[in-house]
Amino acid sequence: AQSVTQLDSHVSVSEGTPVLLRCNYSSSYSPSLFWYVQHPNKGLQLLLKYTSAATLVKGINGFEAEFKKSETSFHLTKPSAHMSDAAEYFCVVSDRGGGDMRFGAGTRLTVKP
Amino acid sequence: EAQVTQNPRYLITVTGKKLTVTCSQNMNHEYMSWYRQDPGLGLRQIYYSMNVEVTDKGDVPEGYKVSRKEKRNFPLILESPSPNQTSLYFCASSLARAGTEAFFGQGTRLTVV
Repeated sequence: AQSVTQLDSHVSVSEGTPVLLRCNYSSSYSPSLFWYVQHPNKGLQLLLKYTSAATLVKGINGFEAEFKKSETSFHLTKPSAHMSDAAEYFCVVSDRGGGDMRFGAGTRLTVKP
Repeated sequence: EAQVTQNPRYLITVTGKKLTVTCSQNMNHEYMSWYRQDPGLGLRQIYYSMNVEVTDKGDVPEGYKVSRKEKRNFPLILESPSPNQTSLYFCASSLARAGTEAFFGQGTRLTVV
């Protein structure tokens, strides 16, 4: 069965410093992986997705993630945090075996001035 | 504009009083699903629908019902709400069950007293 583990429930960074949100996944098939962002009182917005093409995936707002099969990881990074990046981030896995999306528990990103 | 629309956004109700949360999408997607979001648990799937008149249970279906009479609509029904159903609910739609981006509604914050 597919599953996702987000390794940090809360990450705090200073504005202008790098962001790293960690995600490990488990899947018996070639997975599709997603990162979604949820701003306060908003729905979920897709940041980026991996679907077996290039392993380094670029998303919106300067975010990117790298699919590493050997490490079963799909960490989200951004070179320089902005105040507007403060939100909750969800790593999601989906594969043809398990079908529906499986969400991680979420990582709350705080950006300090 | 492609979107998933949920109503209401906020709802406070009493134990046992039947309620319906509506969900509509304008992207002609076949697959729709309902999730609940609770702190520290991420999003968990309640029910999903592969197409009109085809629905099935997700991970946490107890206490909920759904119907899919039209492709665009997928209402969530709580026949007899209880306080443990107090949560944030999201409707989502996508082209397929696995491997494709899901589009989410803005969410419905339900409080059952």
